Amino acid sequence: RKEVEQDPGPFNVPEGATVAFNCTYSNSASQSFFWYRQDCRKEPKLLMSVYSSGNEDGRFTAQLNRASQYISLLIRDSKLSDSATYLCVVTRYNQGGKLIFGQGTELSVKP
Amino acid sequence: NAGVTQTPKFQVLKTGQSMTLQCAQDMNHEYMSWYRQDPGMGLRLIHYSVGAGITDQGEVPNGYNVSRSTTEDFPLRLLSAAPSQTSVYFCASSLQGSGANVLTFGAGSRLTVL
Repeated sequence: RKEVEQDPGPFNVPEGATVAFNCTYSNSASQSFFWYRQDCRKEPKLLMSVYSSGNEDGRFTAQLNRASQYISLLIRDSKLSDSATYLCVVTRYNQGGKLIFGQGTELSVKP
Repeated sequence: NAGVTQTPKFQVLKTGQSMTLQCAQDMNHEYMSWYRQDPGMGLRLIHYSVGAGITDQGEVPNGYNVSRSTTEDFPLRLLSAAPSQTSVYFCASSLQGSGANVLTFGAGSRLTVL
């Protein structure tokens, strides 16, 4: 079983839709959580951190459920420019803070 | 600021050849790492370094060597290329401590081994 798992998608949604991605992690020692975004054939870039109390950044909301060991990303009012692959990332400080990436969830927003 | 610079962007090798992927950063980041990305596999950590003179293995280190003689540079060496090493390689760096989780990636190096 992979340490970080995501639904690979693709998620095909119309503009304006709300879409949610989930990510599960298997190691309860995981301590920090992030969403990265990767455009086609480009490098990943940090989208947002995920805090225990949940956090928002414009149309994006991230939540963490430590008891069930999953994190989520909600995108409201989807734009064409949101089309990308979204990578779930966790770290464990007892392993030097190494980042462990999920395989990514592909989102395609259509007109 | 150039950020993280990787060269070459594209490379084709024959099985058994060796080569070095270069990575340089100008942000004075202590932490540097190499990932490979394959379809359906996400990014997998090959090797990483927490400072000059210090390197360690990640998830998939076999067939690769690294060194960190300076803070700025972290080259990845393929000793004897195999078709299984066909992949996109990303170098990334970050600060240590509280900034350690925000990786800055290079643009990637696409390697094909025939």
